[in-house]
Amino acid sequence: QVRVQQWGAGLLRPSETLSLTCVVYGASFSGYYWSWIRQPPGKGLEWIGEINHSGNTNYNPSLKSRVTISVDTSKNQFSLKLSSVTAADTALYYCARVPNWIDSFDIWGQGTMVTVSS
Amino acid sequence: SSELTQDPAVSVALGQTVRITCQGDNLRSYYASWYQQKPGQAPVLVIYGKNNRPSGIPGRFSGSNSGNTASLTIAGAQAEDEADYYCNSRDSSGHHWVFGGGTKLTVL
Repeated sequence: QVRVQQWGAGLLRPSETLSLTCVVYGASFSGYYWSWIRQPPGKGLEWIGEINHSGNTNYNPSLKSRVTISVDTSKNQFSLKLSSVTAADTALYYCARVPNWIDSFDIWGQGTMVTVSS
Repeated sequence: SSELTQDPAVSVALGQTVRITCQGDNLRSYYASWYQQKPGQAPVLVIYGKNNRPSGIPGRFSGSNSGNTASLTIAGAQAEDEADYYCNSRDSSGHHWVFGGGTKLTVL
């Protein structure tokens, strides 16, 4: 049974760097892209970026200047860093898997609520 | 980047059929996927590709595509289908993902 578990700091001050990690159980990294997606309270989903096992990344153009996604295949985990956060970055952050053969987000993490407040 | 447009809210009587739509120019090139999200839960994939259901998704869920519009149909809606539904697809570049704004489905 494949599952992903995520963790990271839940409360940040403006200008700090958000850091989240997602670990994958029961599946290898190859053959998939691994994404970060966020959802502000009461709002819709926004894709942040993705990475594959080789470290190839794609980022949302609107966030690209502040986002870094990295992978550690030895630990079966990938991470998100979002710099210079503001209140607008307050959201529930999800990690999710995209199998190359279905091109959809088939497995999601439980979500991590990140609040940016002074 | 591309955008996907959904109606904010749709309602359906219990047991009736409802269609939720998603419009976007990139849907002429890419299939939409559909996700169901209930309060306090992560989204769940319900339809992907031309019209495919992941294991465990009831057969009353189906998908279709025509031009720039993708549709999710629930035939015989049940009370447990009340949720937010999101469509998503690749954008026109093929390297990024976009989501629709979501449709809140109410089962009356």
